[in-house]
Amino acid sequence: NAGVTQTPKFQVLKTGQSMTLQCAQDMNHEYMSWYRQDPGMGLRLIHYSVGAGITDQGEVPNGYNVSRSTTEDFPLRLLSAAPSQTSVYFCASSASAHQPQHFGDGTRLSIL
Amino acid sequence: ELKVEQNPLFLSMQEGKNYTIYCNYSTTSDRLYWYRQDPGKSLESLFVLLSNGAVKQEGRLMASLDTKARLSTLHITAAVHDLSATYFCAVDYNNNDMRFGAGTRLTVKP
Repeated sequence: NAGVTQTPKFQVLKTGQSMTLQCAQDMNHEYMSWYRQDPGMGLRLIHYSVGAGITDQGEVPNGYNVSRSTTEDFPLRLLSAAPSQTSVYFCASSASAHQPQHFGDGTRLSIL
Repeated sequence: ELKVEQNPLFLSMQEGKNYTIYCNYSTTSDRLYWYRQDPGKSLESLFVLLSNGAVKQEGRLMASLDTKARLSTLHITAAVHDLSATYFCAVDYNNNDMRFGAGTRLTVKP
């Protein structure tokens, strides 16, 4: 079982560049989320989805876009990268709001 | 806006000792989760607490939820080195809109 797969694992960008972080899950989970993790701040929710075609903003959505065209995939787009977006990004999925989230291995992103 | 506060943020324990990590939150919710994260790794689920008075136990860890006090505890019994990790609580603010605490970094020393 692959679970939640994130690509790439590492990425270095220049300020102003755009990119897409990929997230795919093979568990047929309806709920998916993107978080960023910065030292000393725990995880902060960027965007989340409760099903295909449905997305919503979390705690820190500015500078990021998402879409959910299929149940399996939930890509996160950085529109114009800024150094403040240097972080570790985690994608997670769950079967329902009453189930725990399964996390991917993370993407370590550096913006120069 | 939901705020989630964990304390302590850092905890150094001797093996064999007991201790409790606290998770307070500011807005009504009846869904609280505990996760563990090892250094450089992803998060793994420990407990799901879905109602007032819920108590879950796994090995040396026991979690409880008091929704009236907006408080969850993670109790560690007879700590061992393998429990060294960072522990996070997370509260469901609004149907999968999650808020995490800052984490408690636990170090268990011989």
